[in-house]
Amino acid sequence: GENVEQHPSTLSVQEGDSAVIKCTYSDSASNYFPWYKQELGKGPQLIIDIRSNVGEKKDQRIAVTLNKTAKHFSLHITETQPEDSAVYFCAASPFNNAGNMLTFGGGTRLMVKP
Amino acid sequence: DTAVSQTPKYLVTQMGNDKSIKCEQNLGHDTMYWYKQDSKKFLKIMFSYNNKELIINETVPNRFSPKSPDKAHLNLHINSLELGDSAVYFCASSLAPFRTDTQYFGPGTRLTVL
Repeated sequence: GENVEQHPSTLSVQEGDSAVIKCTYSDSASNYFPWYKQELGKGPQLIIDIRSNVGEKKDQRIAVTLNKTAKHFSLHITETQPEDSAVYFCAASPFNNAGNMLTFGGGTRLMVKP
Repeated sequence: DTAVSQTPKYLVTQMGNDKSIKCEQNLGHDTMYWYKQDSKKFLKIMFSYNNKELIINETVPNRFSPKSPDKAHLNLHINSLELGDSAVYFCASSLAPFRTDTQYFGPGTRLTVL
């Protein structure tokens, strides 16, 4: 089955700096890679996703890049703000008959210091 | 309006008891899921249901029995609770199975087994 590894497990940045979180996956059949943000006491919320037919996607201060050959993808947050502080999860999903099964990375706790 | 809701938010119980967690989504989605998040924040899928039928069961002990009375509800019943069942349980939903659609998560139910 799929295995997703995520680094770093914690990341502390100064407000206004950029933050980068990296993930690797094992199953070459995976073709959908979402990123979720989980604030304290809440459920994960999708912030951006990318499919295997593109290499990069941006949404305002957030961008995701995908390298299918190397089986890794990254989340980039620019101009970080204190409200970006949360736990971020990457995930991977293959398109197959097992359904829409997301395998999550271990999470990154991002702390943005004012 | 809350898209995916769960009750209760907190559940404290003794070992050996039986308990249920309820989940409802008002998004008109066909597919619903249960995830378990352990104390280290690791998120793992437990079950996936499509239109009241089970499509994924990720080797969860049979003490866990999901029940879907209709496609908007997926409840989780747990028999003979054990200490290791303590975790946060998240319900989620997506538009359809066998597609990589966005999964929307509920707020979670924190289960503590004493």
